[in-house]
Amino acid sequence: KQEVTQIPAALSVPEGENLVLNCSFTDSAIYNLQWFRQDPGKGLTSLLLIQSSQREQTSGRLNASLDKSSGRSTLYIAASQPGDSATYLCAFLSGSARQLTFGSGTQLTVLP
Amino acid sequence: NAGVTQTPKFRVLKTGQSMTLLCAQDMNHEYMYWYRQDPGMGLRLIHYSVGEGTTAKGEVPDGYNVSRLKKQNFLLGLESAAPSQTSVYFCASRTGTANGYTFGSGTRLTVV
Repeated sequence: KQEVTQIPAALSVPEGENLVLNCSFTDSAIYNLQWFRQDPGKGLTSLLLIQSSQREQTSGRLNASLDKSSGRSTLYIAASQPGDSATYLCAFLSGSARQLTFGSGTQLTVLP
Repeated sequence: NAGVTQTPKFRVLKTGQSMTLLCAQDMNHEYMYWYRQDPGMGLRLIHYSVGEGTTAKGEVPDGYNVSRLKKQNFLLGLESAAPSQTSVYFCASRTGTANGYTFGSGTRLTVV
C-alpha cells in the first residue's frame, strides 16, 4: 500500500524567500505525481504533473522534482508571495485502480 | 466552462437521513472518483469507476454506495447518514494514466 508523507506540516516564511516543500512515498511503482494547491474551504487546483519517466517539471515560479530511487519529490517555490499562502498537497498515481494517494499536506503562510 | 461539477455545495443532514451527491464532468473522461477529506487525514478514496456501468470500492467504502449509469455522471449515496460521515467530499475525473486528475470544488456535508 502506497504511503505518502509531507514535511513540514506547516511552514511560515517572509515574502521573497525561496522555499522547498518535501514529499516522500513508499512504493516506487508509480505512474505519475501531481502537486496540488488548496485554499481554505476550496477545492484542489493542479499545479504540476510529473510522469514516472520524468525528473522534473516547471511552471512559472514553481519547480517540482521526482526521484523514484529515493522515494522523494520536492516542490520549489521561488520568490514567495503572500498569494502563495495555501495548503500544498502531493499525490501519487499508483495501484491497480490507478488511484491517487495523497499526503496530508503542508500549510504554507507567506508573511508580507 | 469544462470541468467537474458537484452538487450540492453544502448540506446538513440528521442522523439516519439519506442523500445523494452528484458529480458531473463534461470532458468525456473514463475514470471517476469520490474522495473524502478530513482534518489531519488527507484525502481518502471512497469509491471509483473505470467506465460507464462500473464501480469499485476504495479505501473507505463502508456506509456509501455509488452508481455510474451515464459516463458523465457519478453519484455517491449515503443510505443512513452517521456523524462520522461529516466531511468534505470531492469528486475527480481523469482520462489515461498520462493525464492528471481534475477535481470538483467539493461538497461540505455535516451530519448532526
